[in-house]
Amino acid sequence: DTEVTQTPKHLVMGMTNKKSLKCEQHMGHRAMYWYKQKAKKPPELMFVYSYEKLSINESVPSRFSPECPNSSLLNLHLHALQPEDSALYLCASSQDPFDPGEYEQYFGPGTRLTVT
Amino acid sequence: AQKVTQAQTEISVVEKEDVTLDCVYETRDTTYYLFWYKQPPSGELVFLIRRNSFDEQNEISGRYSWNFQKSTSSFNFTITASQVVDSAVYFCALSDGSDSNYQLIWGAGTKLIIKP
Repeated sequence: DTEVTQTPKHLVMGMTNKKSLKCEQHMGHRAMYWYKQKAKKPPELMFVYSYEKLSINESVPSRFSPECPNSSLLNLHLHALQPEDSALYLCASSQDPFDPGEYEQYFGPGTRLTVT
Repeated sequence: AQKVTQAQTEISVVEKEDVTLDCVYETRDTTYYLFWYKQPPSGELVFLIRRNSFDEQNEISGRYSWNFQKSTSSFNFTITASQVVDSAVYFCALSDGSDSNYQLIWGAGTKLIIKP
């Protein structure tokens, strides 16, 4: 089973709202990722969690706050977003971030976020 | 610095034609990994293949084949007898141990349109 699930599929929020994106995987993977993807662009890495600890934060604004409650779950808390934050947010997981031989990332279907 | 170039922004072919998507990469490392992902209109990124730098054997999986040539730093992807379901954006990506710490360096993507 190579499934990564994400909820919700679509989200519309105002600039003063607080919302959360959720991601789950049951493949026993120890690395989980958040990406942001704008239309017609490749994904941009936002955060990496390895073994439930934040290991990479790609200079993401503090209005995005990641959380990894356990090895299967990854959340992205959103607060005071701007219209330019509208994008597809993708979650991914991989077996071990420090073992390049098993490095392919498996992606979820994404959450299409619109900030109004 | 690492870089992945997919020079073809968009390719349009008629169903059953063969099509090749080009990928050229740059890295100073001798150990690296190359990937292809498919992103259909639904948005989910689907892992297709991983190849490490020490394995130059070409790979065939059904109608898909990959040609890895270190001499030209290329990792091209061919779809034989294309089908409408192959319509998607295809990304080539590189992972090495230098600045990126094995995170993925993405090409810009090639949009493939298969017309019935």
